[in-house]
Amino acid sequence: DVQMTQSPSTLSASVGDRVTITCRASQNIGNWLAWYQQKPGKAPNLLIYRASTLESGVPSRFSGSGSGTEFSLTINSLQPDDFATYYCQQYNDYRTFGQGTTVEIK
Amino acid sequence: QVQLQESGPGLVKPSQTLSLTCNVSGDSISSSGSHWTWIRQHPGKGLEWIGYISYSGTTHYNPSLKSRVIISEDPSQNQFSLKLSSVTAADTAVYYCAREDYRGNAPSYCYGMDVWGQGTTVTVSS
Repeated sequence: DVQMTQSPSTLSASVGDRVTITCRASQNIGNWLAWYQQKPGKAPNLLIYRASTLESGVPSRFSGSGSGTEFSLTINSLQPDDFATYYCQQYNDYRTFGQGTTVEIK
Repeated sequence: QVQLQESGPGLVKPSQTLSLTCNVSGDSISSSGSHWTWIRQHPGKGLEWIGYISYSGTTHYNPSLKSRVIISEDPSQNQFSLKLSSVTAADTAVYYCAREDYRGNAPSYCYGMDVWGQGTTVTVSS
């Protein structure tokens, strides 16, 4: 099984900050990684697929990078609407989610 | 606009079978290009992929749940279903159905889970 490990688990930041979330795969997954945003009581929302391709309608302040086993999600100029939990998910071998990173207000 | 809606009992007794249905509107579950997927989220925890059924009826399940899971489809109703047998309290979770945009037979043709239902809470308790 492919294990996905995100860091940090919680991130405290302020509006306007640049934040980066890291996701590590237990084996090479190529570029086959997606990122999702989830707000309390809501379903997740797709942000990025193929490690770096922005889903239609997602603000350009979100960006993804990486390949193989190391990936990151960066949010430039954090906005109030961005305080949420973020999950990475691999789709190279079955599907596995990371444990999530909560971006909270500092 | 594609929409998914989960339905089913909110309370299931231990050892029984959990049964949920996802009604799809705005897309056909029989058309190529999608994996119809179930995901769950334990209270206060992360997301767990349960499995999917493709437009052709092919299924893939999470190995940790495979012995208890069946995902099926009903094209006439444009819906797909989840059955999870022998449930315990550990199966208490919010269950989501989702569409994975998948237009081929390799990861390069996957465009992520782009449409989700709102989720339904299932509690396992006597």
